[in-house]
Amino acid sequence: EAGVAQSPRYKIIEKRQSVAFWCNPISGHATLYWYQQILGQGPKLLIQFQNNGVVDDSQLPKDRFSAERLKGVDSTLKIQPAKLEDSAVYLCASGTTGAGTDTQYFGPGTRLTVL
Amino acid sequence: AQSVTQLGSHVSVSEGALVLLRCNYSSSVPPYLFWYVQYPNQGLQLLLKYTSAATLVKGINGFEAEFKKSETSFHLTKPSAHMSDAAEYFCAVSGSRGQLTFGSGTQLTVLP
Repeated sequence: EAGVAQSPRYKIIEKRQSVAFWCNPISGHATLYWYQQILGQGPKLLIQFQNNGVVDDSQLPKDRFSAERLKGVDSTLKIQPAKLEDSAVYLCASGTTGAGTDTQYFGPGTRLTVL
Repeated sequence: AQSVTQLGSHVSVSEGALVLLRCNYSSSVPPYLFWYVQYPNQGLQLLLKYTSAATLVKGINGFEAEFKKSETSFHLTKPSAHMSDAAEYFCAVSGSRGQLTFGSGTQLTVLP
């Protein structure tokens, strides 16, 4: 079974530029999560999708971050414009049900550096 | 609100020694608890999870954790460390809709 795929793996941009990350979850998984992991910290949830609907985006900085999950499969996370403090690893995860007991499967992440 | 505290950002053990990584949680509802491991430049991999069945949970690679409600703890242990166990370990608590709140992580170093 293929795991969660993410691209690109690495991205370097200047501040105020825009950037987009792509995630392809495990086939059949209804729930998709985006996490931000700043160096030295644990991952922090940005947004959760159930199929193609948003369940929780309370921690997403909506003035600059946006995310979509078209057709309930792939997802894209965008930052526009980027700030220095957005430098982090962006992790995508997927799960079958979205219940509290559900196991989340993580992709390898996209490491973003904002200069 | 839920939170997780991992005591010790860095832990070093000798190969063959006991591994003990500490995790305390705060939750207003019965918690679901997870331990994940992260190797360099990789995503997180589930080691084990507690979902209110047995309080002693066995996971992959010889790891286990015990849920202690009275101590609000979920410490991770392994009887004998291997060099391949060197990685960062994260404890997490799950919300009702599956959102994970992670601790800040513990970097495990295994000395030869």
